[in-house]
Amino acid sequence: DAGITQSPRHKVTETGTPVTLRCHQTENHRYMYWYRQDPGHGLRLIHYSYGVKDTDKGEVSDGYSVSRSKTEDFLLTLESATSSQTSVYFCAIRGRAGGNTGELFFGEGSRLTVL
Amino acid sequence: KNQVEQSPQSLIILEGKNCTLQCNYTVSPFSNLRWYKQDTGRGPVSLTIMTFSENTKSNGRYTATLDADTKQSSLHITASQLSDSASYICVVSDQTGANNLFFGTGTRLTVIP
Repeated sequence: DAGITQSPRHKVTETGTPVTLRCHQTENHRYMYWYRQDPGHGLRLIHYSYGVKDTDKGEVSDGYSVSRSKTEDFLLTLESATSSQTSVYFCAIRGRAGGNTGELFFGEGSRLTVL
Repeated sequence: KNQVEQSPQSLIILEGKNCTLQCNYTVSPFSNLRWYKQDTGRGPVSLTIMTFSENTKSNGRYTATLDADTKQSSLHITASQLSDSASYICVVSDQTGANNLFFGTGTRLTVIP
């Protein structure tokens, strides 16, 4: 158990409304990630963080912002949700193995539906 | 372009039978390859990691192989169980950075009694 919790687990919202998803970890890992998973696509990186207040964009960052004010929390915000952002969102942390061999530990996912 | 392709997209097998899932990649320079298992409604969980020098690695009934020359990996499941029903995702890392991960779209395995 990597101690990752995502909230909310399910959310239905309307187009144009803001949405914030939260990822909380208890293991003090440096790297945290937000992915989205859609049918026919592999997991796609939205944003990641390599420390408090240190974040960077991933492959599909348009329409999303993130914040990391504490080591344990990584927030993903949709400023104005669109139907194309209907997806399952996964938070992940990277294990401490050296180099880039570290295992990703994923949360349980947050299913977002934008009507 | 760095890509990871998995086959088949889906597979149905009888309980107790063996199966092999394939992963072909074009990621370069190659660092390592991981197989993840994702149960329905859950996050992926790592099964095994293969680095450049490794050809075969086993984790219980799961055996992964890697041919770095042909850029192919396989995941063999022996004596399948109903609990093996899941999606299996191949993830390849390159050497350029800790966050350069390339995900396959997965193989959906269904084991039926």
